Order: sequence, then C-alpha cells, then structure tokens
Amino acid sequence: EAGVAQSPRYKIIEKRQSVAFWCNPISGHATLYWYQQILGQGPKLLIQFQNNGVVDDSQLPKDRFSAERLKGVDSTLKIQPAKLEDSAVYLCASSQGDRRNTGELFFGEGSRLTVL
Amino acid sequence: GESVGLHLPTLSVQEGDNSIINCAYSNSASDYFIWYKQESGKGPQFIIDIRSNMDKRQGQRVTVLLNKTVKHLSLQIAATQPGDSAVYFCAETLQGGKLIFGQGTELSVKP
Repeated sequence: EAGVAQSPRYKIIEKRQSVAFWCNPISGHATLYWYQQILGQGPKLLIQFQNNGVVDDSQLPKDRFSAERLKGVDSTLKIQPAKLEDSAVYLCASSQGDRRNTGELFFGEGSRLTVL
Repeated sequence: GESVGLHLPTLSVQEGDNSIINCAYSNSASDYFIWYKQESGKGPQFIIDIRSNMDKRQGQRVTVLLNKTVKHLSLQIAATQPGDSAVYFCAETLQGGKLIFGQGTELSVKP
C-alpha cells in the first residue's frame, strides 16, 4: 500500500516569497492533517480536513497560510508571504477515522522549508 | 536569521538493555494516547496506543503504561536495538480527536 506522498521534500526561499506544498494521502483515508514541526519540537497541528471540509484550523495563521482539499483527496498548503519563523518541516498525515476517533495517523516524510 | 530549536531530552542506553521513555501529558480530559517514533528525515511512525480506560498495553517489544492520577505516560522498549535510535513523541487527544504532541525524547542506543 502506498504511503502519504508529499512534495517537494526541500524548499529554500527568501522571506516575503510564497511557497506551496502538496500532499496525497493514503487512498480511502477521509481525514487529512497538516502539521508544522519546528526543529527540536513536536509537530503542531495547523489544519485538519474531513473529506473536503475543514474540521479544525484554529492554529493556522490565516493571514499568511492557506490550505485546501477541493476534491476530498489531495491537498495543498500555501504560505504567502513567508517569514523567517516559518522555517520548519511541514508534515502531512492521513487517517481513516472521523473527527471523534483519531485512530492511527500515517505521516508523510515531510517538506522541509528554509526561509532566508 | 537562523531559528534555534529546543534541546531535546536525551536517553542513552546500551544495546540489549531496556529503555523507559517518560511523558507528562497536559489535559486530564484526554482519552486517547499514542506513542510515535521519528527517525531523522522521516515523518513520525505509530508505535502503540492506549485509551484512558486502560493502564497498560503491550505490543511487540514495547509496553505503554498510563497513570491518569499523575497524568503520566511511559513507553518501555525491551532489549533495545540500534534501530530503535530515534526521537520518541507521546501525543494525547482532547475530546474531539485533535492530537497534541509532546516535546519528544531522543533515544540513542550504544552498540
């Protein structure tokens, strides 16, 4: 079974530029998550989708971050404009469960962003 | 500028010894807990989970213990191997399913 696919693996940009990350979850997984992991810290949830609807985006900095999952399958996360503190690994994860049964999350390998 | 990360707690053990990784969780209402293993350059990988109506659960070479009185979770790894070297995170779910990750512990296994 194919795992969660993410691209690009690495991205270096200058502050105030924009960047987009793509995620394709495991086939059949209804729930998709974007996490931000700053070096030395645990992942922090940015946004959770159930099919193509947003379940939780309370920690998404909406002035600069946006995410969509238009057809309920793959998803994109965009940052515009980027700040230095956005340097992190952006992890996508998916699970079968609904919003009240997190179940096991399957993570992709992440997209490492460096903002200069 | 360069961002500076936090210094992770570290645990160093000899190959073949047992490892115990501890975690204090924050919310007494949390009802589901998961341990994840994260190797360098990879995403977290599920190890074992436990629900709040249990105090112990065993897997292959791993055991999770839950003490709700003091909001403490531990992961025990038997006969630790070099391949177990990684950062280990505990995660808790608040009612509604949102996972909150702890800081993580870096396990180093000496051959």
